Amino acid sequence: KQEVTQIPAALSVPEGENLVLNCSFTDSAIYNLQWFRQDPGKGLTSLLLIQSSQREQTSGRLNASLDKSSGRSTLYIAASQPGDSATYLCAVPLGGGADGLTFGKGTHLIIQP
Amino acid sequence: NAGVMQNPRHLVRRRGQEARLRCSPMKGHSHVYWYRQLPEEGLKFMVYLQKENIIDESGMPKERFSAEFPKEGPSILRIQQVVRGDSAAYFCASSPRGPSSYEQYFGPGTRLTVT
Repeated sequence: KQEVTQIPAALSVPEGENLVLNCSFTDSAIYNLQWFRQDPGKGLTSLLLIQSSQREQTSGRLNASLDKSSGRSTLYIAASQPGDSATYLCAVPLGGGADGLTFGKGTHLIIQP
Repeated sequence: NAGVMQNPRHLVRRRGQEARLRCSPMKGHSHVYWYRQLPEEGLKFMVYLQKENIIDESGMPKERFSAEFPKEGPSILRIQQVVRGDSAAYFCASSPRGPSSYEQYFGPGTRLTVT
């Protein structure tokens, strides 16, 4: 059974810092990995999708890397801003014949102005 | 191109009533997924549907819950005889093709409160 763990559970940093969020998964046989952000009381916004054949993806100040063999992904946020404050979720396919995604519990990020 | 739409955004039901949650996928998307987020817990997959077919319902509770995605109209998640433990945020996602390679786009969710 695929399990996803995110570290740290919470993070508070001053504006302008570069930061790294970590995600690990137990079954390396994944098709892809997706990073989302969730604002309080809102839905999920897809940030980046990394296919299993890729090692990284970039979108603006965000960079996500994937190391399938070690079961890890990192989300790098450059020059953080208060608007980046949110919960960041990592998700991979459930596997085992199931078609949905399984999510980590997220990293709750606060960027102090 | 409008995103995934869900309604209602908030739903209050008394114990024993039925709850109907609707999801309209993004234009051009024929694959729909439902997830539930219980308070203080992560998102859990419930069911995956294509038009008129349930493909994978491995995450659905065995009783009281059902889902459909008719040829015309939105996908519907139905919860019969709701109990307090059903209180949660229910999210719908859609993708243009099957789940293995394609990004899932999420709606804003329906927050169900059972009193």
